[in-house]
Amino acid sequence: SAVISQKPSRDICQRGTSLTIQCQVDSQVTMMFWYRQQPGQSLTLIATANQGSEATYESGFVIDKFPISRPNLTFSTLTVSNMSPEDSSIYLCSVDGPGYTFFGQGTRLTVV
Amino acid sequence: KNEVEQSPQNLTAQEGEFITINCSYSVGISALHWLQQHPGGGIVSLFMLSSGKKKHGRLIATINIQEKHSSLHITASHPRDSAVYICAVGISSGSARQLTFGSGTQLTVLP
Repeated sequence: SAVISQKPSRDICQRGTSLTIQCQVDSQVTMMFWYRQQPGQSLTLIATANQGSEATYESGFVIDKFPISRPNLTFSTLTVSNMSPEDSSIYLCSVDGPGYTFFGQGTRLTVV
Repeated sequence: KNEVEQSPQNLTAQEGEFITINCSYSVGISALHWLQQHPGGGIVSLFMLSSGKKKHGRLIATINIQEKHSSLHITASHPRDSAVYICAVGISSGSARQLTFGSGTQLTVLP
């Protein structure tokens, strides 16, 4: 089974600033997925990150707002840029394994 | 209309009760996932299934592909089972994996 270490687990940020969230996986994976869960809502896929290529963003999400890095097969970062209170959400990374989908512990972001 | 519908939205049970959470979906899928989300936000994958039934401890998941319906059962429920349970369906799209999530069922088990 894959173990995903995601950090920070929570943060309170000022509007207009940026926050970078990190995900470290204990095994090599081809694709990593980044999700957002707004308060009271279900998870929404932000983008799929492949190593060696640009991330693929879902409708409604753009690279300028959510830049993603994927420098190797075990690590990825998601940056939430120029934050506003509407960005207050839980952000999760995810990878696929044999028979399961694995999620990080989540980053609970509050923008004030 | 949401492609994945869960019921009930909220469920309160007494410790020891048998619990069932239902999930219906409207599209063809490659697999269905049951996830557990604790108050801190972290998500644990409970099951991934594409047919039949799986059991892990007190948890049982079943799926009926023809009826596009899945259930998650918890036997002998315990307060530590209190969490949000999320159903998600996997839809293959080329080389990308796409999950569509239900809105979740908030389960509270009282001692």
